[in-house]
Amino acid sequence: AQSVTQPDIHITVSEGASLELRCNYSYGATPYLFWYVQSPGQGLQLLLKYFSGDTLVQGIKGFEAEFKRSQSSFNLRKPSVHWSDAAEYFCAVGLSGGSNYKLTFGKGTLLTVNP
Amino acid sequence: DTGVSQNPRHKITKRGQNVTFRCDPISEHNRLYWYRQTLGQGPEFLTYFQNEAQLEKSRLLSDRFSAERPKGSFSTLEIQRTEQGDSAMYLCASSLEALYTFGSGTRLTVV
Repeated sequence: AQSVTQPDIHITVSEGASLELRCNYSYGATPYLFWYVQSPGQGLQLLLKYFSGDTLVQGIKGFEAEFKRSQSSFNLRKPSVHWSDAAEYFCAVGLSGGSNYKLTFGKGTLLTVNP
Repeated sequence: DTGVSQNPRHKITKRGQNVTFRCDPISEHNRLYWYRQTLGQGPEFLTYFQNEAQLEKSRLLSDRFSAERPKGSFSTLEIQRTEQGDSAMYLCASSLEALYTFGSGTRLTVV
C-alpha cells in the first residue's frame, strides 16, 4: 500500500529565512504529487502539484517543490518565509491513471515562524 | 463558482446520537470525496463518488457510516450511534480529475 512520510512534525524558522519541508513516498507506480496548506480549523488549500514533465514545479505564495524519482521525494521549498506562512503543510500522493484520484496524505508538518 | 460548501461547520453531539453532514460540491465537478482528519494526522480517505455512484469505500467506513450523493449533486455523510472515536474533522472535496477543491470541513465533537 502507498504511504507518505513527512519526517518533521514541527519546524520553526525565523521570518525571512529559507524553508525546506521534506516528503518521501512509497508507491508502486508513477504518482501524482501535491502539497497542501491548512490553517487552523480550515480546509486544505493546494500549493502546487506534480503530474509529469519538469520535475521542479512552482506554486502559489512563492513555494516550489522538486520531484526526485530516485529518492522518492517531493520536498517543498521557499527562499524567504513570511509570518503568514505559519500553518500546517501536508504532502499527498495520488495514483495516476484510473478514475479514482483518492489521495494518501502524510501526517503533516507544522510550521512556526518567529518574528 | 462558490467553492465547496460544508454544513454544519461544527457539530457537538452526545454519544449514541446520529449526525448528518452535508457537502455541496462545485457544480461542474463529477467526483466527490469524503476524508476524515483526526488531531495531529493528515486526512484519511473515506469514500468516493463519481456522479451519483459510490465507487469506493475505505475500511475506515464502518457499518455505522453511510454516504449518499443523490442525483450526483450534493452529498451527505451520516454517522449512526456516534462514538467518541468519531470525533474528527470531516472534509469533503470535489474534482473533475486529479485537482481537488476542499471544503472547510465539519468538526464533529462527540461528548
